[in-house]
Amino acid sequence: DAKTTQPPSMDCAEGRAANLPCNHSTISGNEYVYWYRQIHSQGPQYIIHGLKNNETNEMASLIITEDRKSSTLILPHATLRDTAVYYCIVRAVNTNAGKSTFGDGTTLTVKP
Amino acid sequence: DGGITQSPKYLFRKEGQNVTLSCEQNLNHDAMYWYRQDPGQGLRLIYYSQIVNDFQKGDIAEGYSVSREKKESFPLTVTSAQKNPTAFYLCASSIGSGSRYTEAFFGQGTRLTVV
Repeated sequence: DAKTTQPPSMDCAEGRAANLPCNHSTISGNEYVYWYRQIHSQGPQYIIHGLKNNETNEMASLIITEDRKSSTLILPHATLRDTAVYYCIVRAVNTNAGKSTFGDGTTLTVKP
Repeated sequence: DGGITQSPKYLFRKEGQNVTLSCEQNLNHDAMYWYRQDPGQGLRLIYYSQIVNDFQKGDIAEGYSVSREKKESFPLTVTSAQKNPTAFYLCASSIGSGSRYTEAFFGQGTRLTVV
């Protein structure tokens, strides 16, 4: 799996959009971008994934650059409950979901 | 409700004792995984299993053992050979390989403290 680079920490004001970047410059053509988050002392939770098109679900939006070397997870209206560690992962389609490499992620702190 | 259950949430053991962490899932997933997480760090894969009666070592398997006798269960034993067992342990499951739609579902973790 390709390596990802994320900033160690970010702050966001409550109600504002949180934009979390991820660099994956060595991503391969068959690798998807996945995002998970981990609230303190809980197990990680899947958020969203994509290949090359932008994706949106009830939790977030995922914007992937045209060259696929980076992506941004957008939480449109951050709340205090969005404070968590966010992990960006790239994974090939033919590998087990649980064998993904979870690095140190980005600690997002949403402030009132 | 379908999900993955780890028990207990907190566990204390004396140094030199083996301890077994429970992980049960009712999602009918083929694959199960165990991770270790140390404070402020990401997850490291200990063992994984793609099918009953089969499992493979992950990145940090030394000092740990697992079994997969049933599809629903994947217990992890932390042996006395593990030099620094105090950590947060996470179990996960997924449908398996071969589908881009699969994601891993995680339990709530067991925090093991060895004194």
